[in-house]
Amino acid sequence: DAGVIQSPRHEVTEMGQEVTLRCKPISGHDYLFWYRQTMMRGLELLIYFNNNVPIDDSGMPEDRFSAKMPNASFSTLKIQPSEPRDSAVYFCASRDRGELFFGEGSRLTVL
Amino acid sequence: AQSVTQPDIHITVSEGASLELRCNYSYGATPYLFWYVQSPGQGLQLLLKYFSGDTLVQGIKGFEAEFKRSQSSFNLRKPSVHWSDAAEYFCVLGNQGGKLIFGQGTELSVKP
Repeated sequence: DAGVIQSPRHEVTEMGQEVTLRCKPISGHDYLFWYRQTMMRGLELLIYFNNNVPIDDSGMPEDRFSAKMPNASFSTLKIQPSEPRDSAVYFCASRDRGELFFGEGSRLTVL
Repeated sequence: AQSVTQPDIHITVSEGASLELRCNYSYGATPYLFWYVQSPGQGLQLLLKYFSGDTLVQGIKGFEAEFKRSQSSFNLRKPSVHWSDAAEYFCVLGNQGGKLIFGQGTELSVKP
């Protein structure tokens, strides 16, 4: 298996623009997690899904953030409008029997 | 409340020296516990995990961790550190509901 695949790996955008991050989990994994990592706040859980259903979105910082999982093989995290303080590395992870498998992350820079 | 505490933000050890990274958790039931490592610019990789059974678990790269229920701890150890072990290490608590809670991380530097 190719592992968890995230795209884009790097994105630079201007404040106010819409950003969409994508994730393809490992086939057969029933949990999917979105994390954000910054120097100041470390790793923060934003939202996670079980069988495509959002279970806990309490970590989503604001209404500007939204996440979807239309099917078992695809998820998106959208920020609209983006702000400079959203600059971070966003990780997607899928889970199998307790173990998280992480993607390589999407590094977002909002100017 | 469920939480994970890694008391040491940054540790420096000499190459060849032993290492212990501390982790304390708070959880009312039997926890699932993990240690992950993140090299600079990379994603996170699982070192080892504890679900039940033997309280001393062996992981990859020569790491081990010991679960101590009485102390609510899950410290990570390695008898001899290599320069390639320099990275950030995360202790993670998993609850029954599927949520995984990360500690703040401990950054390890290795002196030649």
